[in-house]
Amino acid sequence: GENVEQHPSTLSVQEGDSAVIKCTYSDSASNYFPWYKQELGKGPQLIIDIRSNVGEKKDQRIAVTLNKTAKHFSLHITETQPEDSAVYFCAARRGGKLIFGQGTELSVKP
Amino acid sequence: EAGVAQSPRYKIIEKRQSVAFWCNPISGHATLYWYQQILGQGPKLLIQFQNNGVVDDSQLPKDRFSAERLKGVDSTLKIQPAKLEDSAVYLCASNAPGPGEQYFGPGTRLTVT
Repeated sequence: GENVEQHPSTLSVQEGDSAVIKCTYSDSASNYFPWYKQELGKGPQLIIDIRSNVGEKKDQRIAVTLNKTAKHFSLHITETQPEDSAVYFCAARRGGKLIFGQGTELSVKP
Repeated sequence: EAGVAQSPRYKIIEKRQSVAFWCNPISGHATLYWYQQILGQGPKLLIQFQNNGVVDDSQLPKDRFSAERLKGVDSTLKIQPAKLEDSAVYLCASNAPGPGEQYFGPGTRLTVT
């Protein structure tokens, strides 16, 4: 089955810097790759997603890139702000099933 | 649009007791999921419903966990008897028909002592 590896597990940046989180997946049939942000005491919330027929997608300060050949995808957050501090999860979907990475705890220091 | 509702938000029980969680998905969402999220890990799918039928329950520990969605709307997840390792957040999610976004509820934090 699908396996998703996510790195790093923790990331600390200064406000205004960029943050990059990377994920690899194992199943080449996976075709949808969402990124979720989870704040303390809340459920995960979708922040951006990308489908397998697209290499890059951007939404304001957030971008995601996908390399199907290498089976990895990355989340890029530019101009980070303290409110970006949270746990971020990548996921890969094959059929209707989402497999999540282990999460990255992002801390943005003012 | 109201989000996915879950209750209770917190539950503390002793091992070997039973517990039930309730989920009300977004109106019109045919697909409903239950996930288990152990502290420091990503959510892991327990069971997926399409309307009131089970699509995938391969990761559900069926000797102690059960779930139902009788009328294709609300769902309940039950654990009986609970073990210490069941301590986790139980998340419910739903999505509309097709390859759309999964919307998550706030979760129920279960502590088994």
